[in-house]
Amino acid sequence: DTGVSQDPRHKITKRGQNVTFRCDPISEHNRLYWYRQTLGQGPEFLTYFQNEAQLEKSRLLSDRFSAERPKGSFSTLEIQRTEQGDSAMYLCASSFGWDRGYNEQFFGPGTRLTVL
Amino acid sequence: GIQVEQSPPDLILQEGANSTLRCNFSDSVNNLQWFHQNPWGQLINLFYIPSGTKQNGRLSATTVATERYSLLYISSSQTTDSGVYFCALTTSGTYKYIFGTGTRLKVLA
Repeated sequence: DTGVSQDPRHKITKRGQNVTFRCDPISEHNRLYWYRQTLGQGPEFLTYFQNEAQLEKSRLLSDRFSAERPKGSFSTLEIQRTEQGDSAMYLCASSFGWDRGYNEQFFGPGTRLTVL
Repeated sequence: GIQVEQSPPDLILQEGANSTLRCNFSDSVNNLQWFHQNPWGQLINLFYIPSGTKQNGRLSATTVATERYSLLYISSSQTTDSGVYFCALTTSGTYKYIFGTGTRLKVLA
């Protein structure tokens, strides 16, 4: 049983560039979540998917951010026109759906973004 | 929104010592987890514990949902226990986890 995987693990980009991150959840999980963590803080929720449907988005997710999960399996998070304030660790998590009656989330290793 | 506070914020222990980490929350919760974040940033699941008591080796956890707190016990601490411990929870009507403020633990050899 493989865990949640994320790619790339590290990304350095220049301000104004676009970046895209990928997350592959645990195969049996149909919920997928994105979080952002800045230095010294706990993770903050960005958005989540139930299969391919994006069901909740945080106000942190500005219009420069977009997330997709087109076939209900892997997900991508794109940041357009990156700013230095976007520098953070981007974490993906997955869990079973409503039918299991509980919501234990498992996290990937994260993608660390540095915007110069 | 719900407030999640952890205490203490920082803790330094000698190897072999025991400790108790606390998570207080301001509303009723549907799900609650404890995580250990290692120095590389990986969040490791310790317990899924919306209520009751669980034990796993040197670690145990108790959640008293009616009194709105959860405790994580670490016994016979080891240097590999160092890192940041987070509690995280969800409230009714949402599946997003709200993370606490974290406890940074350092275990000295």
